[in-house]
Amino acid sequence: AQTVTQSQPEMSVQEAETVTLSCTYDTSESDYYLFWYKQPPSRQMILVIRQEAYKQQNATENRFSVNFQKAAKSFSLKISDSQLGDAAMYFCAYGEETSGSRLTFGEGTQLTVNP
Amino acid sequence: EPEVTQTPSHQVTQMGQEVILRCVPISNHLYFYWYRQILGQKVEFLVSFYNNEISEKSEIFDDQFSVERPDGSNFTLKIRSTKLEDSAMYFCASSGRGGKRDEQFFGPGTRLTVL
Repeated sequence: AQTVTQSQPEMSVQEAETVTLSCTYDTSESDYYLFWYKQPPSRQMILVIRQEAYKQQNATENRFSVNFQKAAKSFSLKISDSQLGDAAMYFCAYGEETSGSRLTFGEGTQLTVNP
Repeated sequence: EPEVTQTPSHQVTQMGQEVILRCVPISNHLYFYWYRQILGQKVEFLVSFYNNEISEKSEIFDDQFSVERPDGSNFTLKIRSTKLEDSAMYFCASSGRGGKRDEQFFGPGTRLTVL
């Protein structure tokens, strides 16, 4: 079974600084998708960024980028120019390529942004 | 922008009672999901639904749980006889029109409290 591990329960960053959240996963599949979801205090799940495993290029979305290391099964999220609104719980998630298959989530990292 | 909606936002029930959580997925989506998040823990997959039948379920999804798509728009999760440990946030999600993996769009969640 696939597993996703986030080893940092909590992280903090100063406003305008950069922070990196770590995620590792385990799978025997060669094609899959990885996601970072943000969960603010409202507990709504919001997709931040996604990465297709077959793409070598790291995904970027404005201030958010990933460092995808397929061989190491590592998928970290970098947030640049951190803003107060970035404060939230961040979940890493794994999904197989098959349409309709489940997402497997990590334990989450609580990010605090200090003014 | 289309979104997944869930009702109610908060449900309080007595142990042993039946509850039905309701979801309206995005209208042209084909795959539907329920996830659960116990407070302070990770998001866990419960069940996926496609073409009017369950396509995958987790070990959490036992005989106490059932899902239904009673009409063309609603997707429901029923818990037959609630237990204290069923207290959690329940997220509905929907995805895709088929083909390669599509993003799962999450609803805002229903907070279930079992007393």
